[in-house]
Amino acid sequence: DAKTTQPNSMESNEEEPVHLPCNHSTISGTDYIHWYRQLPSQGPEYVIHGLTSNVNNRMASLAIAEDRKSSTLILHRATLRDAAVYYCILRKTNAGKSTFGDGTTLTVKP
Amino acid sequence: NAGVTQTPKFQVLKTGQSMTLQCAQDMNHEYMSWYRQDPGMGLRLIHYSVGAGITDQGEVPNGYNVSRSTTEDFPLRLLSAAPSQTSVYFCASSYGGTRQPQHFGDGTRLSIL
Repeated sequence: DAKTTQPNSMESNEEEPVHLPCNHSTISGTDYIHWYRQLPSQGPEYVIHGLTSNVNNRMASLAIAEDRKSSTLILHRATLRDAAVYYCILRKTNAGKSTFGDGTTLTVKP
Repeated sequence: NAGVTQTPKFQVLKTGQSMTLQCAQDMNHEYMSWYRQDPGMGLRLIHYSVGAGITDQGEVPNGYNVSRSTTEDFPLRLLSAAPSQTSVYFCASSYGGTRQPQHFGDGTRLSIL
């Protein structure tokens, strides 16, 4: 299965933009890139997904490299409530089997 | 709209006991999955199902059984609990297809003594 690689941790200041990177060098042509986040003591929640083009929604933006081997989740103005573990996963053709890595723990400083 | 409901929220077992973690969804999702999350770690896939009557193993299936007799329910059975199975268990569901996001329950916190 294609794996993703993320930094273990990142820090940001409140109200500043945050760029969370993810490498997925073995991505296949039909794999969608999904991002989730997990707040303390909660289950993961969906953030955004994309295939080739950059995507925006109310929570974040997703920038996908032209060769699709990496992507970046962008939080435009970090708030204290954005402190969480962020997971980048590949949703494959056999989409029933999605595997998560250890994610990036984002700390937001006031 | 209840979404994904997991019961119980907390459970303490003794080594060797068996139990079933319940997961139900009311969104008519084809796909359902069970994950475990150990302290400070990411989620690891235990078993998953792409429809009623169809299940398959994930990354860490040993010691767990599943069945999917209905679209709504996907119970996870611990056959003989071991301390190594102390973890938080999450159930997730989604529509089929690579675009579809997964919806997660609030988790079951399980301790094996």
